[in-house]
Amino acid sequence: GAGVSQSPSNKVTEKGKDVELRCDPISGHTALYWYRQSLGQGLEFLIYFQGNSAPDKSGLPSDRFSAERTGGSVSTLTIQRTQQEDSAVYLCASSFEGLNYEQYFGPGTRLTVT
Amino acid sequence: AQSVTQLDSQVPVFEEAPVELRCNYSSSVSVYLFWYVQYPNQGLQLLLKYLSGSTLVESINGFEAEFNKSQTSFHLRKPSVHISDTAEYFCAVTVLLPNTGGFKTIFGAGTRLFVKA
Repeated sequence: GAGVSQSPSNKVTEKGKDVELRCDPISGHTALYWYRQSLGQGLEFLIYFQGNSAPDKSGLPSDRFSAERTGGSVSTLTIQRTQQEDSAVYLCASSFEGLNYEQYFGPGTRLTVT
Repeated sequence: AQSVTQLDSQVPVFEEAPVELRCNYSSSVSVYLFWYVQYPNQGLQLLLKYLSGSTLVESINGFEAEFNKSQTSFHLRKPSVHISDTAEYFCAVTVLLPNTGGFKTIFGAGTRLFVKA
């Protein structure tokens, strides 16, 4: 079946603009995750959803970041008033519910803030 | 606080040589341990995982990792590497968040394995 898809694949935006990143998880996966991968860094856990709710939002870097998930499926990560330090690859993953299930990753969205 | 440390950012090795990629974690709660691999120009994919039971787990392409609770380590090994193993390898732990009942996955910074002919 189809894997995790993300759009856009690349996004270049000017500092101060808002951006919206989209993730379509694998059908049937109830858990959805967002990560950020900066150049030369590991993956930074941002947030995850159980269904439509996010039990812990403390991983979001600042209040400019928000995420939502509707219908237990598609999720959007919104970054308001982008800054240059927001430039990174944003990865989405999905899995069945539970700590022991592997996460399936999307190809990522490369965000460049100029 | 939980953390994952991959001690080597880059590991160059000759083809057919053995390799060990080190991973240490710190956590006060039970964890599930994973190794993910990212081949050049591809997305992350699971290599192997430890959930419970035998502390030695294996992947289909010859990698193995051993969970050592006393040393809080989950090192990845392969007795003989191929050129095609060139990739970035990430160690990860998933921990339960006691206050929210949710969970969190923490990744290490990654180790770039470069296999030379």
